[in-house]
Amino acid sequence: DAGITQSPRYKITETGRQVTLMCHQTWSHSYMFWYRQDLGHGLRLIYYSAAADITDKGEVPDGYVVSRSKTENFPLTLESATRSQTSVYFCASRALSGNTIYFGEGSWLTVV
Amino acid sequence: DAKTTQPTSMDCAEGRAANLPCNHSTISGNEYVYWYRQIHSQGPQYIIHGLKNNETNEMASLIITEDRKSSTLILPHATLRDTAVYYCIVRIREKTSYDKVIFGPGTSLSVIP
Repeated sequence: DAGITQSPRYKITETGRQVTLMCHQTWSHSYMFWYRQDLGHGLRLIYYSAAADITDKGEVPDGYVVSRSKTENFPLTLESATRSQTSVYFCASRALSGNTIYFGEGSWLTVV
Repeated sequence: DAKTTQPTSMDCAEGRAANLPCNHSTISGNEYVYWYRQIHSQGPQYIIHGLKNNETNEMASLIITEDRKSSTLILPHATLRDTAVYYCIVRIREKTSYDKVIFGPGTSLSVIP
């Protein structure tokens, strides 16, 4: 039962570099989500996707790009990383009619 | 999505019931109340959800007021492992393309020995 996996788990990058965080789920869930979590802000939704090739902005989408060419993958790209994007990033998924949202273990990103 | 308000933090003695309140005064008729919790450094975990009736499962009980404008999550016998941030969210459960699932700041529960 692989579930939902994120990679890399830990990443340090420099300002201005492009970074892609990968998210893979094995359940064929329709919905996938990307959140960031910073101290004092809780979880904030960046982007979400209702199905392959369907994506939409969340609360804080600026500076991020997503794609969903396959149901099981939902990569998040920081096109030009900034220090303000230092955060913990969580990917999540749920079935179309499901109650439970399943979260990955998180990706710790530091932009220096 | 309707917004929710929760206290920033709460303490609870180990072995006692933890009662976590949530206000959702603008909830609409087809929105459910969901509770998740996040233990330090882990992804959030589903606890329970309900529409208008009280619900109970192996983890917790959910009490929703008759007007549905507020709810309370009850952990009947809190343990140290229940120390976490608890999130109350409201969302439409039906098939929809607009299930954004917005989390607020939540309540930080500290269970004290």
